Amino acid sequence: GAGVSQSPSNKVTEKGKDVELRCDPISGHTALYWYRQRLGQGLEFLIYFQGNSAPDKSGLPSDRFSAERTGESVSTLTIQRTQQEDSAVYLCASSGRLAVDEQYFGPGTRLTVT
Amino acid sequence: AQSVTQLGSHVSVSEGALVLLRCNYSSSVPPYLFWYVQYPNQGLQLLLKYTSAATLVKGINGFEAEFKKSETSFHLTKPSAHMSDAAEYFCALRYSGAGSYQLTFGKGTKLSVIP
Repeated sequence: GAGVSQSPSNKVTEKGKDVELRCDPISGHTALYWYRQRLGQGLEFLIYFQGNSAPDKSGLPSDRFSAERTGESVSTLTIQRTQQEDSAVYLCASSGRLAVDEQYFGPGTRLTVT
Repeated sequence: AQSVTQLGSHVSVSEGALVLLRCNYSSSVPPYLFWYVQYPNQGLQLLLKYTSAATLVKGINGFEAEFKKSETSFHLTKPSAHMSDAAEYFCALRYSGAGSYQLTFGKGTKLSVIP
């Protein structure tokens, strides 16, 4: 079946602009995660959605970052007033509801803020 | 707090040689541990996972890892490196209790295989 898809694959934006990144999880996966991967760094957790529960936003670095998810489907990550330090690859993953369930990762969106 | 440390940001091995990528963790409760591989311009792919069953875990592409609680380690090994193993490898930890199930990642180790 189809894996996790993300769009766009690449995004170049000017400092101060808003951007929206999209994630389509694997059908039937109740959990969805956003991570950020900066150059030379590991992945940083941003936000976690599980079904209709309140999302865990503890990883969001500032109030310029927000994310939404409609039910158990598509999610969008929005970054307002982008800064150069927001440049990174943003990865989305989805999984079943259990802690042991594997997270399946999308190919990522490479964001460059100029 | 949980953390993962990968020793060596870059490891080079000759084709056919042993691959050893080191991972140490810190966690207040027994964690679940994962190794992911990332090929250039691709997403992460799960190699193997430890979820408190057997301490020696076998994964895809001939990789295996051993969970050693006394050493808080989960090193990744492969007996004989192949050119196609060149990639970046990430060790990750997940809290095994109730709550949020995000992964905590190490900074990654880039593996180069020399012909």
